[in-house]
Amino acid sequence: DSGVTQTPKHLITATGQRVTLRCSPRSGDLSVYWYQQSLDQGLQFLIHYYNGEERAKGNILERFSAQQFPDLHSELNLSSLELGDSALYFCASSGDPFSGNTIYFGEGSWLTVV
Amino acid sequence: AQSVTQLGSHVSVSEGALVLLRCNYSSSVPPYLFWYVQYPNQGLQLLLKYTTGATLVKGINGFEAEFKKSETSFHLTKPSAHMSDAAEYFCAVSVPFGNEKLTFGTGTRLTIIP
Repeated sequence: DSGVTQTPKHLITATGQRVTLRCSPRSGDLSVYWYQQSLDQGLQFLIHYYNGEERAKGNILERFSAQQFPDLHSELNLSSLELGDSALYFCASSGDPFSGNTIYFGEGSWLTVV
Repeated sequence: AQSVTQLGSHVSVSEGALVLLRCNYSSSVPPYLFWYVQYPNQGLQLLLKYTTGATLVKGINGFEAEFKKSETSFHLTKPSAHMSDAAEYFCAVSVPFGNEKLTFGTGTRLTIIP
């Protein structure tokens, strides 16, 4: 158990809909990362938050957004869903982002768009 | 920008044989390097990491990796494969003193032959 909690574990939704994925980082970790894992794209970095502020953006679509709340949990919002958004979405957390700390991954949220 | 190349998307070894999974990186600055393992329907678990210091790094489950700057490599080895080692393995790189975003390779699926 990495200590990173993601909900829901599985989600099936229709095209055009909007979903929210939730992540609770390990206790004390200030950094939260979101990654997408799909068969065709592999593991892609989406976005990084540190203590509530966005630090870096990766290959995140404009239809997707994220935020980190004062209690450090994070949400990834996916809207106007398309079939190609079906993937495993990972949340990860770490402590100080400047010292090579280990990034711990949750078990992921499986999203299926039908 | 940094990148990782994993040679061999599928590797099969016999139980008890040497496991060698290859990873080459590209980075404009001395990198941090990681190996993660993903068991079926599970999240990513850190096997080992290299930040600074000793270039031979020992990880969990008997795995180790050696950072070779001259070869820009970080190959993962285990002297004797067990059936439980069957999984997907990802090499990743990050930039020190940056936001610690991990850039992953495409993964290598390891199959153990009884």
